[in-house]
Amino acid sequence: GESVGLHLPTLSVQEGDNSIINCAYSNSASDYFIWYKQESGKGPQFIIDIRSNMDKRQGQRVTVLLNKTVKHLSLQIAATQPGDSAVYFCAENIRDTGRRALTFGSGTRLQVQP
Amino acid sequence: DGGITQSPKYLFRKEGQNVTLSCEQNLNHDAMYWYRQDPGQGLRLIYYSQIVNDFQKGDIAEGYSVSREKKESFPLTVTSAQKNPTAFYLCASSRTGTGHNYGYTFGSGTRLTVV
Repeated sequence: GESVGLHLPTLSVQEGDNSIINCAYSNSASDYFIWYKQESGKGPQFIIDIRSNMDKRQGQRVTVLLNKTVKHLSLQIAATQPGDSAVYFCAENIRDTGRRALTFGSGTRLQVQP
Repeated sequence: DGGITQSPKYLFRKEGQNVTLSCEQNLNHDAMYWYRQDPGQGLRLIYYSQIVNDFQKGDIAEGYSVSREKKESFPLTVTSAQKNPTAFYLCASSRTGTGHNYGYTFGSGTRLTVV
């Protein structure tokens, strides 16, 4: 399969545990954030998004938390399953730059142990 | 089913050659994007297009060119000026709208290797 990150930080969890993946962003003008999941050899898949006027958003088994004070974003996955093993990226839309495209973080590899 | 298709999945380029990566979408999205992915790094923006016949350079546009003659298509040419083209290339598309942001739909990627 395709290697999408040889030197990525890795989070290893046991099946059934909750996972928390963190992302720090640097631009206080960012107004929209997305989490993506990328499996080996595939394109990223949308998981959940959040706008800067919110602190928390929940989906199916996933929750995104946004702390604008410390410019921190987290993705919580409940009852982690082997199928959750992948690389997870956060992405942000930086307002006020004229750039109309998302900026991606470097990613975190999640390994789920059976 | 609507989606975004990249082809080919694997591509081999000889030194000094130009190659073109295809990206087609039937999602009726106005915006399309090209990103490059290298091991140990996130996605880096090459070019993007918000509307037909218009496109903008991203962070690493040198050695690449694009066109947007049709809404559905956004091909990327990797020219001989790109000195290190071996990478995984991802195309994406999204809706656009004043005051709103929308997530991307990604293709499955093209792995380009220089031989």
